[in-house]
Amino acid sequence: QQQVKQSPQSLIVQKGGISIINCAYENTAFDYFPWYQQFPGKGPALLIAIRPDVSEKKEGRFTISFNKSAKQFSLHIMDSQPGDSATYFCAASRGNKAAGNKLTFGGGTRVLVKP
Amino acid sequence: DAGITQSPRHKVTETGTPVTLRCHQTENHRYMYWYRQDPGHGLRLIHYSYGVKDTDKGEVSDGYSVSRSKTEDFLLTLESATSSQTSVYFCAISDRGYGYTFGSGTRLTVV
Repeated sequence: QQQVKQSPQSLIVQKGGISIINCAYENTAFDYFPWYQQFPGKGPALLIAIRPDVSEKKEGRFTISFNKSAKQFSLHIMDSQPGDSATYFCAASRGNKAAGNKLTFGGGTRVLVKP
Repeated sequence: DAGITQSPRHKVTETGTPVTLRCHQTENHRYMYWYRQDPGHGLRLIHYSYGVKDTDKGEVSDGYSVSRSKTEDFLLTLESATSSQTSVYFCAISDRGYGYTFGSGTRLTVV
């Protein structure tokens, strides 16, 4: 049972273009939606996160768009650069401070930015 | 990654042997997690801990056990390794349950 579905599995974008990765979730109790970036041989690193009380969050060239009614959220990478080539994971969790917020991850998207 | 160390980084083991992976943190964070990463599956939670001696199962806990006797160490044990446990294992830490910091991973091959 995959609670967070991510697409596409991979994408290729030209330098300067826009990369768009989409995620859909099933559990309406989820209240925290982060995106992680992973380079080969490294662990994932937190990129940006959003909560369901806002529809959009922007940090530099990275933007999360959130659609609560559709249970979908997406990552947009503007002006994509070769250094953005990495695997991106969306995730979701339900707040439970006592037991820790367990993240459920999507399957990942491998992004290649061509110079 | 600063503050979190996984050991070993690589290991090859034979089917049926016990294996222990170690996660060590210097951040004094309350929460620690073990995930496995497999192509197409993203990261799946194996076990997690919300304090010393407080642990619970994740979505893929069968065949794995954990222990946390000190705040800084979280051990993952495969009691009898199988080929299906060939994977990359990541430990993560968090102080408030958000904003995980991941280790660099352990690549485990079971032959």
